Amino acid sequence: SQKIEQNSEALNIQEGKTATLTCNYTNYSPAYLQWYRQDPGRGPVFLLLIRENEKEKRKERLKVTFDTTLKQSLFHITASQPADSATYLCALSQTGANNLFFGTGTRLTVIP
Amino acid sequence: SAVISQKPSRDICQRGTSLTIQCQVDSQVTMMFWYRQQPGQSLTLIATANQGSEATYESGFVIDKFPISRPNLTFSTLTVSNMSPEDSSIYLCSVSTSGAQETQYFGPGTRLLVL
Repeated sequence: SQKIEQNSEALNIQEGKTATLTCNYTNYSPAYLQWYRQDPGRGPVFLLLIRENEKEKRKERLKVTFDTTLKQSLFHITASQPADSATYLCALSQTGANNLFFGTGTRLTVIP
Repeated sequence: SAVISQKPSRDICQRGTSLTIQCQVDSQVTMMFWYRQQPGQSLTLIATANQGSEATYESGFVIDKFPISRPNLTFSTLTVSNMSPEDSSIYLCSVSTSGAQETQYFGPGTRLLVL
């Protein structure tokens, strides 16, 4: 069956450290993989998109890697801040498909 | 980008009744989607709202239960019909300006509780 698993329901890290979140998938052939942030009571907000032929993408303190052999994406937040505390969702889409499939999310708490 | 509003933001409804949720976008968009996010779970796509034609439903969701309208390129409604407590969830509207596989912009969601 198809699955998107985000390791760790919850992750606590100290302010200033790098947070690393994992997204693993099975039985998908994603053309794109995206990361979203969701705060309580709000809809997800887009952060980064990486294509299947890209290995890494960066945006300010964020970095995403995409390994189609391992079927895994890693999401890094460097120099983390308490304001980064939120749930982070990975989502992927397949060639020819018309929708995004979401993982269950990782709730990140950055401790001051 | 796109700014999306949803009404109502939350509601408490009785079993057997129906609720219509509205989604308004600040610009014309090609694709609009409706998702459900049940407590503690991730987002599940209900359907793609197509302008000028019937919505495209995902497996497990049917038009009789979740009728959708899309009269123009900036507005859509989702109705949750004949509600039961299992329908208690957050319902989210999203849009894509460049294609379903690309970035999606989400509304704030409608939190529904069915008693």
